[in-house]
Order: sequence, then structure tokens, then C-alpha cells
Amino acid sequence: KQEVTQIPAALSVPEGENLVLNCSFTDSAIYNLQWFRQDPGKGLTSLLLIQSSQREQTSGRLNASLDKSSGRSTLYIAASQPGDSATYLCAVHAYSGAGSYQLTFGKGTKLSVIP
Amino acid sequence: EADIYQTPRYLVIGTGKKITLECSQTMGHDKMYWYQQDPGMELHLIHYSYGVNSTEKGDLSSESTVSRIRTEHFPLTLESARPSHTSQYLCASSGGTGSEQYFGPGTRLTVT
Repeated sequence: KQEVTQIPAALSVPEGENLVLNCSFTDSAIYNLQWFRQDPGKGLTSLLLIQSSQREQTSGRLNASLDKSSGRSTLYIAASQPGDSATYLCAVHAYSGAGSYQLTFGKGTKLSVIP
Repeated sequence: EADIYQTPRYLVIGTGKKITLECSQTMGHDKMYWYQQDPGMELHLIHYSYGVNSTEKGDLSSESTVSRIRTEHFPLTLESARPSHTSQYLCASSGGTGSEQYFGPGTRLTVT
């Protein structure tokens, strides 16, 4: 059974700092990996999707990498801003049998960017 | 504008009541999902649908039921709400196999 772990559970950084969030998964047979952002009491916003054949994806100040063989992904945030404060979720998409693919989520990293 | 909608956003209801959480999407996606999320915990898939008249249960056992009569609509029903059903329920949709999932704003349900 696929398990997704995110470290650290919480992170507090001063504004302007670059930071890295980590995600690891136990089964490397994934279809793709998706990073989300969740603000308190709200739904999820998709940030980046990396296909299993890709090594990284970039969107603005965000860069996500994927090392499928070692079961790891990182989300790099450059020049952090207070508006980046949120919980960041990692989810892996894998075949779950009977023709279905399912997302398995980590518990997230709660990021606080201090002005 | 293509989007995914959930109503109500917040609901406080007494034990034993029947409730339906609504989810609609205007993106024309075939695949739709319901997830349950307790505070500080990961999301768990409780139901999914790959098209009209197709519904399946997810990994997390749930006493809720779903229906998919129209492509854009995927409501979730609890026949008799209990305090253990208190949680946040998130609806999502996607266009193709393993493709990016888009989430609605969620319904926060409290059963007293």
C-alpha cells in the first residue's frame, strides 16, 4: 500500500528566504506526482504536476523535482513571501487496480512566512 | 469560467438528519471524486466516478452514498448523520486517466 510522508510537518521562515519541502513515497510505481496548496478551511489549489517520466517542473517561484527511483520529490520555493503561508500537500497518482488510478496524499507541511 | 463548486460551505446539523452535499463542475470532466479530511490529517478517497451511472467506493470506508446521473453533478448523501461524520468533505474532478485533479472549496460538516 502506497504511503506518502512529508517532512517537516511545520516550517517557519523569515520573508525572502528560499526553502525546500520534502515528500517521500514508498512505492515507486507512480503515474505522476502533484503538489497542492491548502489555505485554512479551504479546498486545494494545484501548484505543479510532474509526470513519472519527468525530473522537474517549474512555475514562477516554484520548482518541483522528482526522483522516482528513490521515491522522493521536493518543492523549492524561492524568495518566500507572507502570502506563501499555507499547508503544502504532496500526492502521488498510482494504479490501484480494476482500471482505476488514485491519489494518495501526505499530511502536508504547514509553512509560515514571517514578515 | 470553468470551475468546481460545492454547497453548502458550512453545515451544522443534528444527529439522525439526512443531508446531501452538492458538487458541480463546469469543466466537462468525466472523472469526479469525494475526499474526507479531518483536521491535521491527510485526505482520504471515499467515492469516485469515471462517468455517468458509474460510482465506486474509495479506500476509506464511508457510510455515505453518491450518484452520478449527469456528468457535471456528483452529490454525496448521508442518510442518518452522526457525530463521527464531522469532517471536511472535498470534491474534485479530472479530465483523463491520471491527469491533474481540481478541487472545490470543500464543505465543513459538523454533526451535533
